[in-house]
Amino acid sequence: QVQLQQSGAELAKPGTSVKLSCKASGYTFTSYYIYWVKQRPGQGLEWIGYIYPGNGGTYYSEKFKGKATFTADTSSSTAYMLLGSLTPEDSAYYFCASALNYWGQGTLVTVSS
Amino acid sequence: DVVMTQTPVSLPVSLGGQASISCRSSQSLVHSNGNTYLHWYLQKPGQSPQLLIYRVSNRFSGVPDRFSGSGSGTDFTLKISRVEPEDLGDYYCLQSTHFPFTFGSGTKLEIK
Repeated sequence: QVQLQQSGAELAKPGTSVKLSCKASGYTFTSYYIYWVKQRPGQGLEWIGYIYPGNGGTYYSEKFKGKATFTADTSSSTAYMLLGSLTPEDSAYYFCASALNYWGQGTLVTVSS
Repeated sequence: DVVMTQTPVSLPVSLGGQASISCRSSQSLVHSNGNTYLHWYLQKPGQSPQLLIYRVSNRFSGVPDRFSGSGSGTDFTLKISRVEPEDLGDYYCLQSTHFPFTFGSGTKLEIK
């Protein structure tokens, strides 16, 4: 069955970066978009963008340009999101989703000095 | 960006009753290919969102027929009949016709 396994919680200092992972299984990784979504605790969902592992193509919502960078390793069926120049406003759960159908369990990022 | 206005914010419902959630978009969600990319998700407490309905009215695999979606253009509705305890949580609509994709602000379904 399709599964997306995300990396564990991160505690980071302001100004630093974190790299989140999303390992896919149960389907052809290169055939479906991987989307990333942000959710601050107790808040709604915010779409960040996508990567298409088949050709590495990416799209970023304007708000996240310069903040998020997507990559994908087809040899391990893993997608990554690098979040840079972290501020407390980046503290949130981050979800990956395949084709908007199947979602990972989320990674909590906490930014604090 | 397309603004998705979702109502109500909170929806108290009796078990066994019916619930209806509205989602309106600031522009038509009909894609140039003729499809309408409006989807519905349920996020149960402490879990990631799960797809219920895709492209307006298609139930995702394993979703009970108590859930139904309808609508067109800019006006869409999710109906839940015979509400069960497992239906409680936050419901979101999502449009993926226009970039960037945008979510509704959510509706919390709770027991009356």
